[in-house]
Amino acid sequence: DTAVSQTPKYLVTQMGNDKSIKCEQNLGHDTMYWYKQDSKKFLKIMFSYNNKELIINETVPNRFSPKSPDKAHLNLHINSLELGDSAVYFCASSQEGGGNTEAFFGQGTRLTVV
Amino acid sequence: GESVGLHLPTLSVQEGDNSIINCAYSNSASDYFIWYKQESGKGPQFIIDIRSNMDKRQGQRVTVLLNKTVKHLSLQIAATQPGDSAVYFCAENSNDYKLSFGAGTTVTVRA
Repeated sequence: DTAVSQTPKYLVTQMGNDKSIKCEQNLGHDTMYWYKQDSKKFLKIMFSYNNKELIINETVPNRFSPKSPDKAHLNLHINSLELGDSAVYFCASSQEGGGNTEAFFGQGTRLTVV
Repeated sequence: GESVGLHLPTLSVQEGDNSIINCAYSNSASDYFIWYKQESGKGPQFIIDIRSNMDKRQGQRVTVLLNKTVKHLSLQIAATQPGDSAVYFCAENSNDYKLSFGAGTTVTVRA
């Protein structure tokens, strides 16, 4: 049973398009995150949510809009995709805020903008 | 094998040898630290964690050392195996809802 699952695993799209990545966790965690991993493997937090409420928005362009319909889901919608958005996006969750317990990561969504 | 200094992006180690991966963290207020392993095509996976009231913690074949004075963290892997080949990240809690990751060290195990 996958703890944190995100779909799709691969996403290839043209510049200017709008796309969404979905994430679900079945761990009963209160906190969920989106991270972006660039081509040099650097992992940077984008957003964190606690009980459906936005806690951290790490100066992400407002073309990126997370949505948490319930605490088990955190989806990421991206408008007007740009070449620089190409990266691997990871969803994660933790029991409490990430400052106290480990975060569990999904398998990643490799986004390629052409 | 050991990554010398604060951080090297790659580490090559002979199978069976011990590995040491080093990491410098930035926030002196951080009180929780985690090591993650990321295999190719997968998400980061938890290895071991340590809180700031400890300076050493051991797991199965892994040991984490924390030196708060110099803001340094290390991960030791005993008897490194081919399955240990991966990218290893240290992470610190910059605040209650944020884990900040280091740049990562790619470990390659030579047969």
